[in-house]
Amino acid sequence: DAGITQSPRHKVTETGTPVTLRCHQTENHRYMYWYRQDPGHGLRLIHYSYGVKDTDKGEVSDGYSVSRSKTEDFLLTLESATSSQTSVYFCAISARADEETQYFGPGTRLLVL
Amino acid sequence: DAKTTQPPSMDCAEGRAANLPCNHSTISGNEYVYWYRQIHSQGPQYIIHGLKNNETNEMASLIITEDRKSSTLILPHATLRDTAVYYCIVRGGGSNYKLTFGKGTLLTVNP
Repeated sequence: DAGITQSPRHKVTETGTPVTLRCHQTENHRYMYWYRQDPGHGLRLIHYSYGVKDTDKGEVSDGYSVSRSKTEDFLLTLESATSSQTSVYFCAISARADEETQYFGPGTRLLVL
Repeated sequence: DAKTTQPPSMDCAEGRAANLPCNHSTISGNEYVYWYRQIHSQGPQYIIHGLKNNETNEMASLIITEDRKSSTLILPHATLRDTAVYYCIVRGGGSNYKLTFGKGTLLTVNP
């Protein structure tokens, strides 16, 4: 299995509070991704990174920001959590963007009350 | 990326081969077929991918039809631990970052 960890694995927070999720990889892969998974929607891309300090938006980026100061870490921040951001969040990595396999982390379950 | 169609669910007896079909009739020449699976509550797991030739690895075989409009994932000897949702994804070459997961096929392996 690819060396990907996510922290925390579970979190309960209140509406309006900031939340940061961390993805850590030991594979030295260039590309990192954040997805969310909700019933009826499958996995949807939030943000991705194609290098240190290089990030771009995915299809559901509103309300989220990301940062990547080191190759191994990709942070997802909910500036002011809302109930609609209750979801399971998955981080993924890949060595290249084109036709390269993405490997997923174990996920973070976030509940916003 | 081309759209894929998979049956919502399938059953398979333990020890038998599981054959999971996928239709991707609008696939274009530079698009790959990927298969992932997701066991309940876990992250998606890569299984195999191919362009036009059949592929085999330690987990599964991928059979792509000559016209590339459909493919079949074969788990040669299914076990209870293979019970999962299987996703067939068509993904283009070039700078295409997103994996588009549809609803997949829930494969249930029965004892």
